[in-house]
Amino acid sequence: GAGVSQSPRYKVAKRGQDVALRCDPISGHVSLFWYQQALGQGPEFLTYFQNEAQLDKSGLPSDRFFAERPEGSVSTLKIQRTQQEDSAVYLCASSFDPGSYEQYFGPGTRLTVT
Amino acid sequence: AQSVTQLGSHVSVSEGALVLLRCNYSSSVPPYLFWYVQYPNQGLQLLLKYTSAATLVKGINGFEAEFKKSETSFHLTKPSAHMSDAAEYFCAVSEAAGNKLTFGGGTRVLVKP
Repeated sequence: GAGVSQSPRYKVAKRGQDVALRCDPISGHVSLFWYQQALGQGPEFLTYFQNEAQLDKSGLPSDRFFAERPEGSVSTLKIQRTQQEDSAVYLCASSFDPGSYEQYFGPGTRLTVT
Repeated sequence: AQSVTQLGSHVSVSEGALVLLRCNYSSSVPPYLFWYVQYPNQGLQLLLKYTSAATLVKGINGFEAEFKKSETSFHLTKPSAHMSDAAEYFCAVSEAAGNKLTFGGGTRVLVKP
């Protein structure tokens, strides 16, 4: 089947705008992760879902960041009042269940805040 | 808290030469360790993983890595570089299966003909 998909692939936002980034995990995958990858750096954890439950949001950098997965499949990462420091690639990953080692990554959404 | 250090943000190798990418980690519990590869405009792909079984781990595309607890290292090697190995490589650590990954800063590999 298809891998993890993310949309849009590229997003340009003016500072202060709200954005919504979508992740479609592999069908049937229980676990879903969001990571933020700044230019020239490794990905950093943002938040984790098990089905529709958000079990860990310790990596969200501010209360402007909000994520949801209401039906336990598609997830949306929303950033309110975007700032220049939010410019990064946002990666989504899914895994089959909480006991799985391997996370399957999507291609990412590159967000540029001008 | 966990952390990962990758020595060298850029590595240049000749085609056919040994590839050696260094990774050191810190973890308060026995770690699970991973190497991922990222090609331009693509997501991360798992190369190999260490999950407390054999300390020498073989992965895809001819890569392997050795877990050395005494050195807190998990270096990645490939005996003979190919042009298609040009990419960015990330080492990552996790405290348990299914847990979030903590990544190093990455090493970009350039392969010269």
